[in-house]
Amino acid sequence: RKEVEQDPGPFNVPEGATVAFNCTYSNSASQSFFWYRQDCRKEPKLLMSVYSSGNEDGRFTAQLNRASQYISLLIRDSKLSDSATYLCVVKRGGATNKLIFGTGTLLAVQP
Amino acid sequence: NAGVTQTPKFQVLKTGQSMTLQCAQDMNHNSMYWYRQDPGMGLRLIYYSASEGTTDKGEVPNGYNVSRLNKREFSLRLESAAPSQTSVYFCASSDSLMAGRLVERAYEQYFGPGTRLTVT
Repeated sequence: RKEVEQDPGPFNVPEGATVAFNCTYSNSASQSFFWYRQDCRKEPKLLMSVYSSGNEDGRFTAQLNRASQYISLLIRDSKLSDSATYLCVVKRGGATNKLIFGTGTLLAVQP
Repeated sequence: NAGVTQTPKFQVLKTGQSMTLQCAQDMNHNSMYWYRQDPGMGLRLIYYSASEGTTDKGEVPNGYNVSRLNKREFSLRLESAAPSQTSVYFCASSDSLMAGRLVERAYEQYFGPGTRLTVT
């Protein structure tokens, strides 16, 4: 079983739609959580960190459920430019900077 | 500020050939990483360097060696390339927890544009 699991998609949604992705992690000692965005044939870039209390950045909302060990990302009012692969990323506990990356969920926003 | 740079962008090797992938960062980061990305597998850590002078194996180190040449540069060497090493290779860097950055950004990794390697 992978340490970080995501639905690969693709999620095909019309512009303006609301879409949500979930991600589960298996290591209960995981300490920090993130969503990265990767455009086609480009490098990953940090989209947002995920805080225990949930956090919002414009049209993006991230939530963490430690009891069930899942993370979610909600995108409201989808834009064509949101089309990308969204990577769920987890940092294990302890004194390490290493991150564990999920395989990503592909989002395609249609005009 | 170029961020993280990688060379070359593309490379085709024959089985058994060797090559070195170069990576440099100009953000004064302590930690650097090499990943490979394959379809359906996600990003997998090959080697990392927590700070200048140290290197450690990641998840898939076999067939690779690394050198942390100085704080800026971290190279990845394939001594005898195999078709299974066909992949996209990303270098990344991050600051350390001791650098006084905001906690929520402490683990952010900055990636280079990648090297697309094909081994025939």
